[in-house]
Amino acid sequence: GDSVTQMEGPVTLSEEAFLTINCTYTATGYPSLFWYVQYPGEGLQLLLKATKADDKGSNKGFEATYRKETTSFHLEKGSVQVSDSAVYFCALRMWVTGNQFYFGTGTSLTVIP
Amino acid sequence: DVKVTQSSRYLVKRTGEKVFLECVQDMDHENMFWYRQDPGLGLRLIYFSYDVKMKEKGDIPEGYSVSREKKERFSLILESASTNQTSMYLCASSLDLKLDTQYFGPGTRLTVL
Repeated sequence: GDSVTQMEGPVTLSEEAFLTINCTYTATGYPSLFWYVQYPGEGLQLLLKATKADDKGSNKGFEATYRKETTSFHLEKGSVQVSDSAVYFCALRMWVTGNQFYFGTGTSLTVIP
Repeated sequence: DVKVTQSSRYLVKRTGEKVFLECVQDMDHENMFWYRQDPGLGLRLIYFSYDVKMKEKGDIPEGYSVSREKKERFSLILESASTNQTSMYLCASSLDLKLDTQYFGPGTRLTVL
């Protein structure tokens, strides 16, 4: 079935370091792909999304490119800040299955000053 | 801004109790969702509703029921709480089945003793 696999955490980085969080997906068709972020004590918020192959989603300095050939949607940021400390979830949605999202297990990021 | 609120941030119940988790959204969204979030498992969909009095099972509906009597309110019911239902419960809403963004509440951490 449809699913998302993202890298295990936790990840700890120093401020201004480069961030990559890997996400790969399995889908029978052509999904939309998402990154959600959950800050401490809050619900999930949409960070960015891409709806077709080669699309790049970007927001708040984060980027991810929809790679159909490698079935991947890796999250990157060139210079992380302490305020980026959160849990990041990769997710997919298949149009044919309607409104159901499939979430990864989440990757916890801690950025230290 | 879309606001999704959940009735409690923390809840402690005893095995066998009937538990109600309430979720309210203020943006006239058609669709509402209940997830549970567990370490290492990510988010799993319990139930969703695409209209008043309508409901659909998600991936893990066993032991749960839902109620949607009014558009803005979606309740999750644990008929007889068990310890394996100790979890973080997240409510979400979205405007349209064809749109991708789900808006999440802050979550309710339920402990069943």
